[in-house]
Amino acid sequence: QQQVKQSPQSLIVQKGGISIINCAYENTAFDYFPWYQQFPGKGPALLIAIRPDVSEKKEGRFTISFNKSAKQFSLHIMDSQPGDSATYFCAASGDTGRRALTFGSGTRLQVQP
Amino acid sequence: ETGVTQSPTHLIKTRGQQVTLRCSSQSGHNTVSWYQQALGQGPQFIFQYYREEENGRGNFPPRFSGLQFPNYSSELNVNALELDDSALYLCASSPRAYDEQYFGPGTRLTVT
Repeated sequence: QQQVKQSPQSLIVQKGGISIINCAYENTAFDYFPWYQQFPGKGPALLIAIRPDVSEKKEGRFTISFNKSAKQFSLHIMDSQPGDSATYFCAASGDTGRRALTFGSGTRLQVQP
Repeated sequence: ETGVTQSPTHLIKTRGQQVTLRCSSQSGHNTVSWYQQALGQGPQFIFQYYREEENGRGNFPPRFSGLQFPNYSSELNVNALELDDSALYLCASSPRAYDEQYFGPGTRLTVT
């Protein structure tokens, strides 16, 4: 199956808190897992991506944790800010020779001041 | 460096009509992928073009077709529009077919 399941559907976090979004996949051929941030009326913007040879990748306040045996990966946003309020999508790809991304259903994050 | 641009921004069409959407890839990128994003959902892969050839296709009917030009810009054509085709159409470019994808702002298509 090509599905990527994302949770929660929506998330409210206080300013300075940690936002955690989870994704699970079924296709063991997936070997690339990006996260995108999308603001209303805009296209998705690439935040951070990981490959299954590492269990964690950190870029600034954003961290991806990856559990290959459980087929799960998550995005952690540390010190969440009101400007982080957006919809976040996880995605996965494993197609040989191309990056046909399979997206999760999205998480609407609201960071309250 | 110019990012991915798409035109038009918004479009309203009638059921049964045909539409052409355009995308200019980021400088230096030779691969363009198209996605359909219905309201409240994640994008779905339509197809990818690499060096003017189709390089893979998602689960979309043949009335969705595309083209890539020598300057790596691209078009998405949809024939016989249906109400369910109403969506945000996103174009993403990559330096190579297997690289990270960078999205444009999208074209909002409404079919009435």
